[in-house]
Formats: sequence, structure tokens, C-alpha cells
Amino acid sequence: GESVGLHLPTLSVQEGDNSIINCAYSNSASDYFIWYKQESGKGPQFIIDIRSNMDKRQGQRVTVLLNKTVKHLSLQIAATQPGDSAVYFCAEYNTGNQFYFGTGTSLTVIP
Amino acid sequence: EAQVTQNPRYLITVTGKKLTVTCSQNMNHEYMSWYRQDPGLGLRQIYYSMNVEVTDKGDVPEGYKVSRKEKRNFPLILESPSPNQTSLYFCASSLQGNQPQHFGDGTRLSIL
Repeated sequence: GESVGLHLPTLSVQEGDNSIINCAYSNSASDYFIWYKQESGKGPQFIIDIRSNMDKRQGQRVTVLLNKTVKHLSLQIAATQPGDSAVYFCAEYNTGNQFYFGTGTSLTVIP
Repeated sequence: EAQVTQNPRYLITVTGKKLTVTCSQNMNHEYMSWYRQDPGLGLRQIYYSMNVEVTDKGDVPEGYKVSRKEKRNFPLILESPSPNQTSLYFCASSLQGNQPQHFGDGTRLSIL
């Protein structure tokens, strides 16, 4: 089956620094990718998405990079704040209309 | 307010006793999906529905059923629950499949 893996299960950063969370996916036919943020006791919350015809997309303080050659996705958070502490998931959507999620990276922001 | 509503939020039950977890969305979304979340495994898709009366198996459909008789509702049915179905379940919806999903707040099921 497909697999979506995150490189590091935990990440700690100083407040104000930039954070980078990485994700590898396995299905080269996947054409849509999403990053979600999950806070304790809540459902995942959409952060940013990117389609396979793009390699970079920017939002407010967040940037997603897609490298289709090596099947790699990354989420960059600028000027990380305490409110950014959460678990982050990448997800891929394939041509079979299914979503596959990574196992998550827990981000801790140190004040 | 746009939302996905799941009920119940918590349930403790016993092996073999049929249960249904309801899911309702008020955004007129076509795509709906159920996931289970287990420690170290992330979210795994159980079933999804592209539209009314159209449902398909996800990655882990064994032991579950769904139905999509109306656009807004997508119940998850466990006909004969077993302890390995103890998990945190999320319902999600999106306008179409390749769009950001809105998630409910989750249902924590414990099967004894």
C-alpha cells in the first residue's frame, strides 16, 4: 500500500525561529497534498495545500515546498510562536480518490 | 457556523454490541470520509464517499460499514465491534475530493 512518512516524530524550536517539517510520500501519481495541524483534543485543521503542478505555495507565515522528483514535501513555519505547538500531518490524495496521512510530527515551541 | 458534527464524542461499549457513530456536515460538501487515529499510525482512511449513494473502501475498511443516503450525513456502523476497533475516529468533509477537508472533533471509542 501507499505510505506517507514524516522524517522526525518530534521537533523543538525556539520561539521566533523558523521551523521545517518534512514528509516523504510514495505514490508518484498523487496530485494533491495537504498539511494539517492537530492540537490536543481536537480534529486536524487545514493549514495549506499544494497541487502537483506547483512546487511552492505560500500562506500567512507558512510555505509548502513540493519536490516531485524525490517525492518530498515540506512545511516551513516562519517566526514560530507558542501557538504553533501541535502535531503536524502531511496527507496525499491519489487518483483513486483516497487520502493517505503521515504519522505526524509533534512541534514544541520553547518560549 | 460551518462544521462537521460527530456523535457521540465518547463511548465505552462491549464486544459484539452494534453501534453507530453519526456524522453530519452543514456545508453542502460532496466528499465525506471516516478515519481512525491510532498512536504511531497517524490517520487511516476507513471509508469515503464521493457523493450521495456512492461509497468506497479506504485503507482499513474491515469491520466497518457506512451509508450515504443524504448529502449531509455519513454514519459509521460497527456491526459487531471488537477490541481492536478501540480508537479515536474522525469524520471529515470537503467540497470535492481534492479539496481541504473539514474535520469533526472526534469520537473516542473503547470496545471492551
